[in-house]
Amino acid sequence: AQSVSQHNHHVILSEAASLELGCNYSYGGTVNLFWYVQYPGQHLQLLLKYFSGDPLVKGIKGFEAEFIKSKFSFNLRKPSVQWSDTAEYFCAVLSLRDSNYQLIWGAGTKLIIKP
Amino acid sequence: DAEITQSPRHKITETGRQVTLACHQTWNHNNMFWYRQDLGHGLRLIHYSYGVQDTNKGEVSDGYSVSRSNTEDLPLTLESAASSQTSVYFCASSAVGRFYNEQFFGPGTRLTVL
Repeated sequence: AQSVSQHNHHVILSEAASLELGCNYSYGGTVNLFWYVQYPGQHLQLLLKYFSGDPLVKGIKGFEAEFIKSKFSFNLRKPSVQWSDTAEYFCAVLSLRDSNYQLIWGAGTKLIIKP
Repeated sequence: DAEITQSPRHKITETGRQVTLACHQTWNHNNMFWYRQDLGHGLRLIHYSYGVQDTNKGEVSDGYSVSRSNTEDLPLTLESAASSQTSVYFCASSAVGRFYNEQFFGPGTRLTVL
């Protein structure tokens, strides 16, 4: 069965610092990968997704992620974080299970940006 | 604006009681999902539905049931609540299609079973 690992459960950064959140998945075939974000008091929402093509994917609010097939990774990056990026970030992979496609989720990373 | 609402937002119940969590969406989406979120586990799929009268078991379906009598609602029932079911529950919906379409989430229900 597929699984998703997010290595850092909590990350604390200062404003303007660069961000990289790790995500690794356990599947060697074609993968579809996602990052979702949950801001405090708000619903989970899609940040970006990778289906095929350019392995560098750009999302909302200046976020990007790079799909590296050889490393089974899909790390999320942002060059300069803002206080408003404080949120919980989830990586997910689309998996075929019981003839239906389902999202398999990582445990999440709580990001705190210090002003 | 279209949205997904969940009720109640917080619920405390006792072991053995039946509990129903409501999920209502105005996106007119065919697909609806229930997840639970626990520390260290991320979101895990409980049940899902691809349309009226269709329901499917997810990864952690034991002790839960759903029914889909219309497009807008997918209530989740805990038949006999257990302390292991203390969690945050999220409902989501997506447009028609068994492949991936973006899932839109509700605000979550925090359930405590004493």
